[in-house]
Amino acid sequence: GAGVSQSPSNKVTEKGKDVELRCDPISGHTALYWYRQSLGQGLEFLIYFQGNSAPDKSGLPSDRFSAERTGGSVSTLTIQRTQQEDSAVYLCASSLQGAQPQHFGDGTRLSIL
Amino acid sequence: RKEVEQDPGPFNVPEGATVAFNCTYSNSASQSFFWYRQDCRKEPKLLMSVYSSGNEDGRFTAQLNRASQYISLLIRDSKLSDSATYLCVVNRRGADGLTFGKGTHLIIQP
Repeated sequence: GAGVSQSPSNKVTEKGKDVELRCDPISGHTALYWYRQSLGQGLEFLIYFQGNSAPDKSGLPSDRFSAERTGGSVSTLTIQRTQQEDSAVYLCASSLQGAQPQHFGDGTRLSIL
Repeated sequence: RKEVEQDPGPFNVPEGATVAFNCTYSNSASQSFFWYRQDCRKEPKLLMSVYSSGNEDGRFTAQLNRASQYISLLIRDSKLSDSATYLCVVNRRGADGLTFGKGTHLIIQP
């Protein structure tokens, strides 16, 4: 497709389980970003990739969160031992290069029971 | 000081009115500025870039004041469909990514 694609669109899981979220950016976009947004709150930056490397991981809230990007394209965000406070919408965005306009996917709505 | 600050609102405005809101940023080295729009339970979407000389796109006008480090968005002849949260965005300190403000909530009333 032409836009940023995220999967799954919704995920419900039990506390303590691991989850993996996927983002497929717009073809040719070298920069990829992960954010999360809790209900009624602003965007919280998590991590930024330029190509396959992550020059800025400053937003990851704890060591339970990790992300990787392979082949300069698809990225996965993994949350281990999920907690209820991890419940949020996880948004992925991509741009041609850093500091360029970002295009967002529809997000993954994560609910931890 | 937060990197990007916005008045959260809500701004309640009658249809047809003109509304303006500002955003301030802390990084004087910021080079890229944008306004995004986010509808309830939807992803943010780019509304317009903001250029030094100011720019207009239909009913929307964006202005940048580098000396005072603020960005403004003016909406003329507001429509019900303009109701949304407007996010001010600047490039992040020391990185290539963008920092999003928490948004200003706008409600256009019939």
